[in-house]
Amino acid sequence: DAKTTQPPSMDCAEGRAANLPCNHSTISGNEYVYWYRQIHSQGPQYIIHGLKNNETNEMASLIITEDRKSSTLILPHATLRDTAVYYCIAGGTGTASKLTFGTGTRLQVTL
Amino acid sequence: NAGVTQTPKFRILKIGQSMTLQCAQDMNHNYMYWYRQDPGMGLKLIYYSVGAGITDKGEVPNGYNVSRSTTEDFPLRLELAAPSQTSVYFCASKWAVGSGANVLTFGAGSRLTVL
Repeated sequence: DAKTTQPPSMDCAEGRAANLPCNHSTISGNEYVYWYRQIHSQGPQYIIHGLKNNETNEMASLIITEDRKSSTLILPHATLRDTAVYYCIAGGTGTASKLTFGTGTRLQVTL
Repeated sequence: NAGVTQTPKFRILKIGQSMTLQCAQDMNHNYMYWYRQDPGMGLKLIYYSVGAGITDKGEVPNGYNVSRSTTEDFPLRLELAAPSQTSVYFCASKWAVGSGANVLTFGAGSRLTVL
């Protein structure tokens, strides 16, 4: 997996958009960008993934730069329940590949 | 579907004891994984399995053993527990064929303390 760099922590006001950045400058052409989150001490939860194009689902949007060296996860209307550690992972191509979870970004959503 | 079920949720072991962490999934997933997470750290892969009867080592396999006799179950065995194995253990699974993406479903975790 390519190395990723995320800020250790971020704050966001409830109701506002949370934009979580991730750098993955050494990502190879066939490696995906994945986002997972871990609420308190629960098991990580899949959010979204993408290869080249921007992606959106019911949880979030993923914006990948054209050169694929960085990406941003967007939670459009953050709530207190979105307080969690967010992991950006670059890699995991092929069925036998394994994901490497770093220390992520701790997002604190406040009133 | 219950998803991925881990038991026990909490366990305290004495140094040198052995135990098995259970993991079961009811989604007919072919891949299963065991991770450990130390306080304030990311997850480290211990072992994984690509299907019944096939297992392989991850990043930190020492002190652990696994087996995969059925598609549903992937138990993790700790032999001669040591304080360094105090951690939270997560089991995960996925269904993948070909060049599928890595969308894992995780269990709720098993918190192990070795004293």
